[in-house]
Amino acid sequence: EAQVTQNPRYLITVTGKKLTVTCSQNMNHEYMSWYRQDPGLGLRQIYYSMNVEVTDKGDVPEGYKVSRKEKRNFPLILESPSPNQTSLYFCASRGEGGNTIYFGEGSWLTVV
Amino acid sequence: GENVEQHPSTLSVQEGDSAVIKCTYSDSASNYFPWYKQELGKGPQLIIDIRSNVGEKKDQRIAVTLNKTAKHFSLHITETQPEDSAVYFCAASISNFGNEKLTFGTGTRLTIIP
Repeated sequence: EAQVTQNPRYLITVTGKKLTVTCSQNMNHEYMSWYRQDPGLGLRQIYYSMNVEVTDKGDVPEGYKVSRKEKRNFPLILESPSPNQTSLYFCASRGEGGNTIYFGEGSWLTVV
Repeated sequence: GENVEQHPSTLSVQEGDSAVIKCTYSDSASNYFPWYKQELGKGPQLIIDIRSNVGEKKDQRIAVTLNKTAKHFSLHITETQPEDSAVYFCAASISNFGNEKLTFGTGTRLTIIP
């Protein structure tokens, strides 16, 4: 089954404590990206990756880092989380030449 | 950059009636317009999309129309059913099979009243 898997699904953490949200896809997709979803703002892109070792900023990259060492994985790193990063995060992927973007089921992150 | 506005933010319709959600976009270079359905606790899922060289596309009870001149596109759901209740997002992008940087609308919460 085609899947984008994120972990953890739910996390409460404290300000300043580094955390990583993992993302893995089993479709051999080249393109992967991270979005955050906030009430009244829809989904906004944080970072994206066109392929291994190729990443670039989206619309709201401040406070986040990513890496793409393997094709299937695209972790999102919050080096020093702050309360304004409390949000619902989605990882997504798409195959080369394809239209459909597949989303993971989301990770609820609360920073206190 | 691209700006997508979506209306209404909430919509309630009787089961069996039709629902229409409208979006406008600002960048005339945008050429790809997908619609996503997000059920409770799940990620968005593509339900239909349209490219700028097409004015209308239909898939069973769902249809999307595009007016390039006016820069707006709409989602039409006919014969609505309880399982259509969800949040719907429109999006726009310049599709070059590079960064498909979708700009999303703010979402419409659709409730089907049995």
